[in-house]
Amino acid sequence: EDQVTQSPEALRLQEGESSSLNCSYTVSGLRGLFWYRQDPGKGPEFLFTLYSAGEEKEKERLKATLTKKESFLHITAPKPEDSATYLCAVQGDPSGGSYIPTFGRGTSLIVHP
Amino acid sequence: GAGVSQTPSNKVTEKGKYVELRCDPISGHTALYWYRQSLGQGPEFLIYFQGTGAADDSGLPNDRFFAVRPEGSVSTLKIQRTERGDSAMYLCASSLRGGAPYEQYFGPGTRLTVT
Repeated sequence: EDQVTQSPEALRLQEGESSSLNCSYTVSGLRGLFWYRQDPGKGPEFLFTLYSAGEEKEKERLKATLTKKESFLHITAPKPEDSATYLCAVQGDPSGGSYIPTFGRGTSLIVHP
Repeated sequence: GAGVSQTPSNKVTEKGKYVELRCDPISGHTALYWYRQSLGQGPEFLIYFQGTGAADDSGLPNDRFFAVRPEGSVSTLKIQRTERGDSAMYLCASSLRGGAPYEQYFGPGTRLTVT
């Protein structure tokens, strides 16, 4: 069974204080690891897909990296508008042909001005 | 272009009633997913459609939950004899295809409250 553990559960930063969120996973044959951002009361918004260890992707102040056991979402010089819950999900070898992602519980990030 | 839409945005119903939640995916996306999310949790998979057929319904918690996608576009999640434990955010997502790990695009969700 695929498993995703995100840490920390909650993170408070001052504006400009860089940090990293962790996503540890156990999956049979990783096919894709996804990062999403979710604002309160809204649906998740897609950020990145990583497919293989060593891959990195960047978008504005966010950078996602991947190893064989975990992924990091690095936030450089965050701003208050980066406050949200960040979700990680993995898709492994399909069971019967369907790729069903397994989500973590998310990290709630608050950036204070 | 238009994203995934869901209606209603909020639904309050009494225990024992029947509810329908609608999802309109991104045009051209053949795969459609339903999830349920409780406060402080990640999305929990319910059912996945590839085209008109339910390719994987292993996440439906019991036979009170049913979903359809008759024309391969709009989908309806149906819950019979609602229980207070069904209260949650119901999310719909679509992706280009389901036969590969494509990223999913989520709708705004329907907040269901069973009183």
